[in-house]
Parts: sequence; structure tokens; C-alpha cells
Amino acid sequence: AQTVTQSQPEMSVQEAETVTLSCTYDTSENNYYLFWYKQPPSRQMILVIRQEAYKQQNATENRFSVNFQKAAKSFSLKISDSQLGDTAMYFCAFISGAGSYQLTFGKGTKLSVIP
Amino acid sequence: DAGVIQSPRHEVTEMGQEVTLRCKPISGHNSLFWYRQTMMRGLELLIYFNNNVPIDDSGMPEDRFSAKMPNASFSTLKIQPSEPRDSAVYFCASRSGLSRDEQFFGPGTRLTVL
Repeated sequence: AQTVTQSQPEMSVQEAETVTLSCTYDTSENNYYLFWYKQPPSRQMILVIRQEAYKQQNATENRFSVNFQKAAKSFSLKISDSQLGDTAMYFCAFISGAGSYQLTFGKGTKLSVIP
Repeated sequence: DAGVIQSPRHEVTEMGQEVTLRCKPISGHNSLFWYRQTMMRGLELLIYFNNNVPIDDSGMPEDRFSAKMPNASFSTLKIQPSEPRDSAVYFCASRSGLSRDEQFFGPGTRLTVL
């Protein structure tokens, strides 16, 4: 069974600074997908960024980027120029390829952006 | 598109009462998921439907929980009888069908059982 570990229960960052959230996962598969979801106080789960395991290039979405290290099974999220609206819980998630449906989530990291 | 719609947003009920949570997935999505989120256990998959058929209900806690999807645009999650330990946020999510595709989440229903 796959597992996803987020070792930082809480983090804080000053507004406009950069912060990196860690995620590691365990799998024996070669084809899979990784996601970062954001859950602000409104509770809505919002997809931030996605990475396909077969792609070597790290995914980027505006101020959000990932450092995907397949051999190390590491998938960290970097938020640049942090904004107050980035304050939220961030969940790392894993899903196998080839028609899978089971999305495995980490326990989450609570990020606070300080003005 | 309005996204995944869930109702009610909040539900407070007394132990022993029946609770029904509702979900309307995004039109055209053929996969639907019910999740439960608690502080202790995080996000747990309760049940997965594909093309309106329940494929995996191994996450349903016990017989008090049941879920249906009578058509492609509607699903319910029912708890009968409810217990205080069922208090949680329940999310419905839908997906177009591929593993790589995003699961779109609804706003969730916060259930409190007194």
C-alpha cells in the first residue's frame, strides 16, 4: 500500500518570502501521479499543482513549483512571494497510474503567512 | 460550470437520527467519491462510484453508512442511526475518469452529531 508523509504539521512564512513544504511517499510502482491540494479556512479543497512521475521536468504554476525527486520519492512544494491568501492546510496526495482511483493523502501541513 | 455541489453545508443532529448528505457532481464526470475528514484520521475515502455503480465501498465504516447514486447527476450518503463519532466534514468529489485527472471537491458538509 502506498503511504504519503508530510513531516511538518505547521509552518509559517513572512509575506513575500519563499517557503517549501515537504512530502515523501512510498510506492513500488513506476507510473503514478502526485498532487498538492490547498484547503483554506473555507474548507474547499483546491488543486494547486500536479506532477506526472514519468516527467522529469518539475511542474510549475505561477508562484507554485515542485521539486520532484523520483529516486528519493520526494515531492516538495515551493511557494514564492507568499501572500496572505496562501494561508491554508496543504495536502500532498498520490495516485497510481493505469486507471486507479484511490487518492492517498498525507496528514497535511498548516501554513500561516504572516503580514 | 458550478463545480461539485453539496448540501447541506452544515448539519447538526442528535444521536440516533438519520442524516442524508447530497452531492451533485460536475456534468460529464463519470467518477464520484465520498470522503470523510477528521482531525484524527485525515481524509479517508468512504466509497467510489464509476458510471453510477459502487466499485469500492471498503472505506464505509459500518452498516450504519450507505451511499447511492441513482443517476449520473446525484448521489447521497446516509447515516442511520447517527452517532457522535460520525461528526466530521464529508466531501464529495468527482473526476472525469483518468487517474491523472484532478478530483474536483465540493465545499463539504460539516456534520455535528450531539
